[in-house]
Amino acid sequence: GESVGLHLPTLSVQEGDNSIINCAYSNSASDYFIWYKQESGKGPQFIIDIRSNMDKRQGQRVTVLLNKTVKHLSLQIAATQPGDSAVYFCAEKIGNAGNMLTFGGGTRLMVKP
Amino acid sequence: EPEVTQTPSHQVTQMGQEVILRCVPISNHLYFYWYRQILGQKVEFLVSFYNNEISEKSEIFDDQFSVERPDGSNFTLKIRSTKLEDSAMYFCASSEFVVSMAFFGQGTRLTVV
Repeated sequence: GESVGLHLPTLSVQEGDNSIINCAYSNSASDYFIWYKQESGKGPQFIIDIRSNMDKRQGQRVTVLLNKTVKHLSLQIAATQPGDSAVYFCAEKIGNAGNMLTFGGGTRLMVKP
Repeated sequence: EPEVTQTPSHQVTQMGQEVILRCVPISNHLYFYWYRQILGQKVEFLVSFYNNEISEKSEIFDDQFSVERPDGSNFTLKIRSTKLEDSAMYFCASSEFVVSMAFFGQGTRLTVV
């Protein structure tokens, strides 16, 4: 039979604009977070990570913000480019759950030229 | 740039058959993982492997599944007696330290017919 997939939230931005992708996590014991980018037919590609003892981390054109109070994570992409079009997943590691990552549902980013 | 490689890229198998999915993790990495992604759904953790033994597994990873590191470079996932619902993308990942910056392969698309 046909499988029903997740309805991915979609963020559509103009090329050159900044993008903000949000993620809510539920476990206050999570101590490490990663943002992954997944292009169609490919595996998740590491973008940036942050540990729970930080609230901000910057990379090249990307910034991750962590708000532990409200259990919220965001990924900011500066000067978004067409090559940024993909599905973005946040993943968390729960502190007492060994070394597995729990992935969120993903957000589709579409960049209009 | 070092990468995780997976073979085959696509495997079609009949229900009830056994399949082996192969992965070559990044050479200096010590932690290895298998994840799966059913079409349109979240990436789900299956198992982690360290020091030649399973360190953690999810509820999905039942007796039908097994992993092995048969030599110094390969890491395999065996699925015995495949079911239709095993159809998914299977991703291998590796990391140098526990979970940190886990790098994913391109995936093997398994189709059970």
